[in-house]
Amino acid sequence: GAGVSQSPSNKVTEKGKDVELRCDPISGHTALYWYRQSLGQGLEFLIYFQGNSAPDKSGLPSDRFSAERTGGSVSTLTIQRTQQEDSAVYLCASSSEANEKLFFGSGTQLSVL
Amino acid sequence: GDSVTQMEGPVTLSEEAFLTINCTYTATGYPSLFWYVQYPGEGLQLLLKATKADDKGSNKGFEATYRKETTSFHLEKGSVQVSDSAVYFCALRNTGGFKTIFGAGTRLFVKA
Repeated sequence: GAGVSQSPSNKVTEKGKDVELRCDPISGHTALYWYRQSLGQGLEFLIYFQGNSAPDKSGLPSDRFSAERTGGSVSTLTIQRTQQEDSAVYLCASSSEANEKLFFGSGTQLSVL
Repeated sequence: GDSVTQMEGPVTLSEEAFLTINCTYTATGYPSLFWYVQYPGEGLQLLLKATKADDKGSNKGFEATYRKETTSFHLEKGSVQVSDSAVYFCALRNTGGFKTIFGAGTRLFVKA
C-alpha cells in the first residue's frame, strides 16, 4: 500500500481480555516499530524489528505484551489480560534501510473498560 | 540508555510570535536528531532532521541546529501561524541501529 496501515482503528475491550493489533508497513521497509501514545505521556517506545535480526523488545512494559512480524512484513502486537492502564493509542511506523525517516500509521485507539 | 527531554507544554503564542521549543538528549555515540509533528487529527510526520554536529535542519520555516556541545536540538520559528498548532516531538536515532526514541511531545497553540 501507499502508507502504513493499522487495524482496527478503534478497539474497545473488557479488562482481562486479550487483544491483537495489526500493522501493515510500507512495502520494502525493513524496519518496523511499535509505540504507545498515552494522554500526557508522550510517545513510548515498545519494540522494533529490523530485517531478520532479533527484535529489540526493551520497551515492552510487561510480559503481557508481545509482538511478532511474519515474513518480514505484517506485524501483530498482542496484549494479554488487558488492564485499564493499557488504554492508549498504539502507533506503528516503518522505515527503509536507506532512510532514517519513520512513516507512521494512523494508530489504533485501545480502550479497556 | 538514550533519552530525549523536551520542554513541557502547552505553549500558547499569538500569531507572528517567535517560537522556541527546547530539546536536549542523552546518547552514546553520534545520533541523528529529528523533529516530528502531529497536526490535529493527523498522524506523525517528519518535520526536519540533522545527522551530525552543527548541521541545521529546516522545513516550513522551522529550524533546528544540532549542538553537540550542549546536547541540544531546539526547534525555532521566527513567525508562527495558526496552522502551526500541533504537537511537536523531538527524537533521536543512534548510530549503528534503527531504534528511534521520542521525547514526551510539546503541544503548541497559536492564537489568531
